[in-house]
Amino acid sequence: DQQVKQNSPSLSVQEGRISILNCDYTNSMFDYFLWYKKYPAEGPTFLISISSIKDKNEDGRFTVFLNKSAKHLSLHIVPSQPGDSAVYFCAASEGLRAGGTSYGKLTFGQGTILTVHP
Amino acid sequence: SAVISQKPSRDICQRGTSLTIQCQVDSQVTMMFWYRQQPGQSLTLIATANQGSEATYESGFVIDKFPISRPNLTFSTLTVSNMSPEDSSIYLCSVGRSYTGELFFGEGSRLTVL
Repeated sequence: DQQVKQNSPSLSVQEGRISILNCDYTNSMFDYFLWYKKYPAEGPTFLISISSIKDKNEDGRFTVFLNKSAKHLSLHIVPSQPGDSAVYFCAASEGLRAGGTSYGKLTFGQGTILTVHP
Repeated sequence: SAVISQKPSRDICQRGTSLTIQCQVDSQVTMMFWYRQQPGQSLTLIATANQGSEATYESGFVIDKFPISRPNLTFSTLTVSNMSPEDSSIYLCSVGRSYTGELFFGEGSRLTVL
């Protein structure tokens, strides 16, 4: 049972345009969501996160949107740069905001390969 | 952010053997986490390693197969025992910030079992 799904295995975007990566989840107990970027032969790197009490969080070129009713979140990268080419993972946690015992347990999606062409 | 070093970065192993992966963090942390990424799959938490107590394993993972040591606040090891080709994966060590939930990952150890 895949609780976090990234239905697009890959995405190709022109440099300077917007990249939109999507993620759906099924567990309504998730209350914290994160995006990670992973280059080959490296571990995942934290990008941006959002708590379930918000619907948007912005950090520079990266914005994450959360639609709780649809159980959907998305990561927008504007403008996209060739250096953004990587695998992007969506992840979710439950009970973190309440200081729950699930700290450290992230449920990951399968990743989306983003390629930004010059 | 934490600096996390893993050894080995990659290895090719024979079926039936065991391999120990080391994880070193540049600061003291209470909990360390071991994840696995099988080919084409998402990352999955194997276990949480607390210093001074036994590791806590997630459903589907058992201590006999993945014994973990946590001798101090900056170091942990994960052993993959009696390996089979299905154990071919990237194994990742991570630590986190409790107030944000974000995890920092090592570069991973890519194991190939023949």
